[in-house]
Amino acid sequence: GAGVSQSPSNKVTEKGKDVELRCDPISGHTALYWYRQRLGQGLEFLIYFQGNSAPDKSGLPSDRFSAERTGESVSTLTIQRTQQEDSAVYLCASSLNIDREQYFGPGTRLTVT
Amino acid sequence: AQSVTQLDSHVSVSEGTPVLLRCNYSSSYSPSLFWYVQHPNKGLQLLLKYTSAATLVKGINGFEAEFKKSETSFHLTKPSAHMSDAAEYFCVVNGPGAGSYQLTFGKGTKLSVIP
Repeated sequence: GAGVSQSPSNKVTEKGKDVELRCDPISGHTALYWYRQRLGQGLEFLIYFQGNSAPDKSGLPSDRFSAERTGESVSTLTIQRTQQEDSAVYLCASSLNIDREQYFGPGTRLTVT
Repeated sequence: AQSVTQLDSHVSVSEGTPVLLRCNYSSSYSPSLFWYVQHPNKGLQLLLKYTSAATLVKGINGFEAEFKKSETSFHLTKPSAHMSDAAEYFCVVNGPGAGSYQLTFGKGTKLSVIP
């Protein structure tokens, strides 16, 4: 079946602009996660959605970052007023439930110039 | 806080020889530990996971890892490397707190396989 998909695969933006990244999880997966991977670093947890529960936003690095999820489907991660330090690969993952394997998408490479 | 340290950023082996990718973890609780693999231009894939059952964990593609609490290690091994094993490997711990869904990744070890 289809895996987790993300769009765009690459995004180049100017400093100060807003960007929106999209994630389509595997159908039926109730849990959705966003991670960030900066060059030479491991993945950093950003935010977690589980069904209709309030999201866990504890990993968001600043108030310029926000994310939404429509029911148990698509999620968007929005970065406002982008800075050069926001340049990274943003990965989305989904799982059947909170304690099940996380399946990762291919990521969106964001470059802020 | 939980963390993982992958001791080698790059490992190179000849095809048919054993693979050893080293990982040490730090955690204040009984962690779940994972190894993920990322092939070029592909998404991360779970190789294996340890969740406090057997300390020797077998994964896909002939990989296995042994949880050693006394050494706080979770090294990944394979008896005989194949060309298709060339990829980047990430050691991962969950947390904060046992049973947490948050994953903390190491910086990765790039495995090269020489024909």
